[in-house]
Amino acid sequence: QVQLVESGGGLVKPGGSLRLSCAASGFTFSDYYMSWIRQAPGKGLEWVSYISSGANTIYYGDSVKGRFTISRDNAKNSLYLQMNSLRAEDTAVYYCARVARGGSGSYYFDSWGQGTLVTVSS
Amino acid sequence: QSVLTQPPSVSGAPGQRVTISCTGSSSNIGAGYDVHWYQQLPGTAPKLFMYGNSNRPSGVPDRFSGSKSGTSASLAITGLQAEDEADYYCQSYDSSLSGFWVFGGGTKLTVL
Repeated sequence: QVQLVESGGGLVKPGGSLRLSCAASGFTFSDYYMSWIRQAPGKGLEWVSYISSGANTIYYGDSVKGRFTISRDNAKNSLYLQMNSLRAEDTAVYYCARVARGGSGSYYFDSWGQGTLVTVSS
Repeated sequence: QSVLTQPPSVSGAPGQRVTISCTGSSSNIGAGYDVHWYQQLPGTAPKLFMYGNSNRPSGVPDRFSGSKSGTSASLAITGLQAEDEADYYCQSYDSSLSGFWVFGGGTKLTVL
């Protein structure tokens, strides 16, 4: 079955950096687009970033553009999120999610990891 | 402020029917983009619950149905059960400058 396991979260000071990883199994990772989605404590979901299967198309949400970098290693079945210049408002649980494409061409997130908590605080 | 608007909470007694609305605009739902729904049980990760407006993934009971019209979508639940108590989020695509994938603010469903 599809399994996504995030790691790398923790406590970091404002202005600091952190690298999140997501280990995928149970499906052919290189065939799928992937995304990072976050959820601040007690808040809703916010899409963060997207990467195509071959990493040739990448998108970011406005709130992280220029600070975060998404990447993937298909040989290692892994997705990454390098987070720099972290701010207090980046505090959230970060989920990696597999992207599925619907019949009408729309994209949605059909499998999610358990999440990893990133806390930005001095 | 979420791009898609959902009521913060809805409630109903066991056996009743409730609906959760998701209102967007001409750059997302109104532009014809599909709406998808996620269920988040307390302390767990979100789970895909409805895709392509009205399609249920395997394992989702047929008590749940989805629809879309104009700039809005709805998730309807009939025969409400205690296990349905969760947060529900709608999601679509937005074609505006700061768009891509957008979520509603979430709706807490309480079974009385």
